[in-house]
Amino acid sequence: GDSVTQMEGPVTLSEEAFLTINCTYTATGYPSLFWYVQYPGEGLQLLLKATKADDKGSNKGFEATYRKETTSFHLEKGSVQVSDSAVYFCALSRQAGTALIFGKGTTLSVSS
Amino acid sequence: GAGVSQSPRYKVAKRGQDVALRCDPISGHVSLFWYQQALGQGPEFLTYFQNEAQLDKSGLPSDRFFAERPEGSVSTLKIQRTQQEDSAVYLCASKGSGGVQETQYFGPGTRLLVL
Repeated sequence: GDSVTQMEGPVTLSEEAFLTINCTYTATGYPSLFWYVQYPGEGLQLLLKATKADDKGSNKGFEATYRKETTSFHLEKGSVQVSDSAVYFCALSRQAGTALIFGKGTTLSVSS
Repeated sequence: GAGVSQSPRYKVAKRGQDVALRCDPISGHVSLFWYQQALGQGPEFLTYFQNEAQLDKSGLPSDRFFAERPEGSVSTLKIQRTQQEDSAVYLCASKGSGGVQETQYFGPGTRLLVL
């Protein structure tokens, strides 16, 4: 069945460091891909999305490119801030369905 | 504007009790989803409604779990005879009618602890 695999955390970085969180997927067809973020004490929020191959989603300095050839959707940010500390979830939604399939989440901790 | 709301935010139940969790979706959103998030894991799909019709309940873990959305707005997830393995955060999400790419908006969740 469809699945999402993301790198295990926690990821610990200093402020202004470069961030990469790897995400790969297995799915039939052409899914839409998402990154959701969960800040401490808050609900899941959509960070960015891409709906077809080679699309780049971006928001708040974060970017991810939908790579069909490698079935990947890695999250990157050039310079992280303490306020980026959160749990990040990669997810997919199949074209034919609507439920989101999530990875296990990656905890990011940024220190000043 | 108002987002998805859920109540209660926290629920402690003794094993064997029945619980009911409520979700108020964003006004006008046609689709409503329930997910279960165990500690340290990603959310897992439970069930999906389009208006009042429950179109997919394949994720419900047992027949102790029941969900309804009788008027196509508010939804209730009911768990009968709760077990310790039911302890988790239950998330509700709603989505408009713009197709599969449209964003799902999540509520804050109900944290259920079964003792």
